[in-house]
Amino acid sequence: GEDVEQSLFLSVREGDSSVINCTYTDSSSTYLYWYKQEPGAGLQLLTYIFSNMDMKQDQRLTVLLNKKDKHLSLRIADTQTGDSAIYFCAVSSGGGADGLTFGKGTHLIIQP
Amino acid sequence: GAVVSQHPSWVICKSGTSVKIECRSLDFQATTMFWYRQFPKQSLMLMATSNEGSKATYEQGVEKDKFLINHASLTLSTLTVTSAHPEDSSFYICSALDQNSNQPQHFGDGTRLSIL
Repeated sequence: GEDVEQSLFLSVREGDSSVINCTYTDSSSTYLYWYKQEPGAGLQLLTYIFSNMDMKQDQRLTVLLNKKDKHLSLRIADTQTGDSAIYFCAVSSGGGADGLTFGKGTHLIIQP
Repeated sequence: GAVVSQHPSWVICKSGTSVKIECRSLDFQATTMFWYRQFPKQSLMLMATSNEGSKATYEQGVEKDKFLINHASLTLSTLTVTSAHPEDSSFYICSALDQNSNQPQHFGDGTRLSIL
């Protein structure tokens, strides 16, 4: 089955850019998502990208997809303390109608 | 935007009790909903796919008699944890697919289940 990998921690200084990386194994993945989870809370959809896209930008967020390497990244510009959370990469195949496979999540730590 | 409501948000009960969790799509119809489980400091694992009007599809290793799923309408799926035990304590999250749009899955806020 699908396997999604993320590094567990990322530490950045406030104001810098954060880049969270994700790799996946199933080349038929059609939708690729980034979710944010704050302590004790549910999942907040940040952004998603369809597999025929290379890049998607939404305000401070930029998603890059390299299908050849099966690599997805999320860049957060001008990182703020409120961005501190766990960020999950998730992928779906089957035209987006299947359940999602999640990575283990990257804990983003903001240094003042 | 699309909203998924999950209820209750937190439940504590005694071992042996059955607990029902509801997942509702508030402003769209969802023929397909999904149930996930998240252990502390871990990722979300798909438990089952809930299909309106038909039986749920369970992932490997998930006991269908333990986790009963009912999707009786286009806006409501329920997960019942039967005869719950402490090892069933977890964070359960549902998501729903809007059948009329090409949108991503919309997640509820989750239910924290603690079995004493």
